[in-house]
Amino acid sequence: QSALTQPASVSGSPGQSIAISCTGTSSDVGGYNLVSWYQQHPGKAPKLMIYGVNNRPSGVSDRFSGSKSGSTASLTISGLQADDEADYYCSSYTSSSTWLFGGGTKVTV
Amino acid sequence: EVQLVESGGGLVQPGGSLRLSCVASRFTISRSKATFNDAWMNWVRQAPGKGLEWVANIKGDGSEKNYVDSVKGRFTISRDNAKNSVYLQMNSLRADDTALYYCVSGYYDTGDYWGQGMLVTVSS
Repeated sequence: QSALTQPASVSGSPGQSIAISCTGTSSDVGGYNLVSWYQQHPGKAPKLMIYGVNNRPSGVSDRFSGSKSGSTASLTISGLQADDEADYYCSSYTSSSTWLFGGGTKVTV
Repeated sequence: EVQLVESGGGLVQPGGSLRLSCVASRFTISRSKATFNDAWMNWVRQAPGKGLEWVANIKGDGSEKNYVDSVKGRFTISRDNAKNSVYLQMNSLRADDTALYYCVSGYYDTGDYWGQGMLVTVSS
């Protein structure tokens, strides 16, 4: 299976909002409401930011939100802050009972 | 909060084997109060300078295991709930298996908690 498709980079100014897209197929993103988003700072382990398309784990800022339309999911970061600068990965459960990650998006603030 | 500690990585020649271990402590998934015995455990890897790739997972009772196609027949995931541990036996290693391997706990679709990673280098 090919990786989910994410833009390589997205940038924004402090206080702005940005959106990162994640495009898959009917066998993954389009077939299940099981899309997650992870944030990874350089040299650190990934951190779960969104699960089940639009749910935030406790402790994650409400500036982070998720959505999905068809086979494309999106992560929106509002009120962009310097610490939001990181790599972001989407992942989806698939019809093969596996996970599939996107290629990652570098967010620059 | 859940702590996951990986061990067993290192340098191995192509065709060789390694066994990664992951021990979990303070284990309760906050959004469900699930314990280690209830949790799906995963291995996710990241090649140097590259993105994340899911490798394998195992259900809480060990009754279901899934693998990415590129490791099927070479890697085996297992767990010992009495020791709060999960393992990844890696055989017939290839250069493209070189990566930082993360132990990840959570559900069948999501990784709530991640270890710090263990480097596996396959090189002659």
